[in-house]
Amino acid sequence: NAGVMQNPRHLVRRRGQEARLRCSPMKGHSHVYWYRQLPEEGLKFMVYLQKENIIDESGMPKERFSAEFPKEGPSILRIQQVVRGDSAAYFCASSKPTSYEQYFGPGTRLTVT
Amino acid sequence: DQQVKQNSPSLSVQEGRISILNCDYTNSMFDYFLWYKKYPAEGPTFLISISSIKDKNEDGRFTVFLNKSAKHLSLHIVPSQPGDSAVYFCAASGTYSGAGSYQLTFGKGTKLSVIP
Repeated sequence: NAGVMQNPRHLVRRRGQEARLRCSPMKGHSHVYWYRQLPEEGLKFMVYLQKENIIDESGMPKERFSAEFPKEGPSILRIQQVVRGDSAAYFCASSKPTSYEQYFGPGTRLTVT
Repeated sequence: DQQVKQNSPSLSVQEGRISILNCDYTNSMFDYFLWYKKYPAEGPTFLISISSIKDKNEDGRFTVFLNKSAKHLSLHIVPSQPGDSAVYFCAASGTYSGAGSYQLTFGKGTKLSVIP
């Protein structure tokens, strides 16, 4: 399966813990985007990364959230000290360079208790 | 401020008939538009896209129309099938951010139900 992979699919964390979400892009894609979907809402852009570079983080909350896309391995979205409001579906998408068309993974559903 | 709006939360259509999903946008800097289909507990699936230099793009049963002057686009599905029942998201993009970012701005979605 050459699609976008995300894991875990479901993640439960208690308030104050850390959440790590992983994304492996499609084969041949070097650009990764992270989006968040709250209930009854559309997807909201968070961050855009290329290998070892954050290109656009204009949608990232200023505190507790960080993202990376290392030279080797998956992209990681990290949420420190999670709060109930972080409960959402987090989607990763990948694309080829200079392409508008993004292909999405199945998402990680984060629940903060 | 919602830059991409899908004003119909839901739509029901008989199998075999045409489904028309609408989308409006406010940012004149958007120059590329996409439609995604989403089933519950899955990620969005890319359907079809259109560049702002075109007014129509067709792919099988799916056609997207763009009216730039009205800042309006629509997705037509003909004929509609029960398997088309899903939430459809309109998304827009543009390289106006200056950072070369192709981030997508999504509408809230329209839930399509195709009745057999």
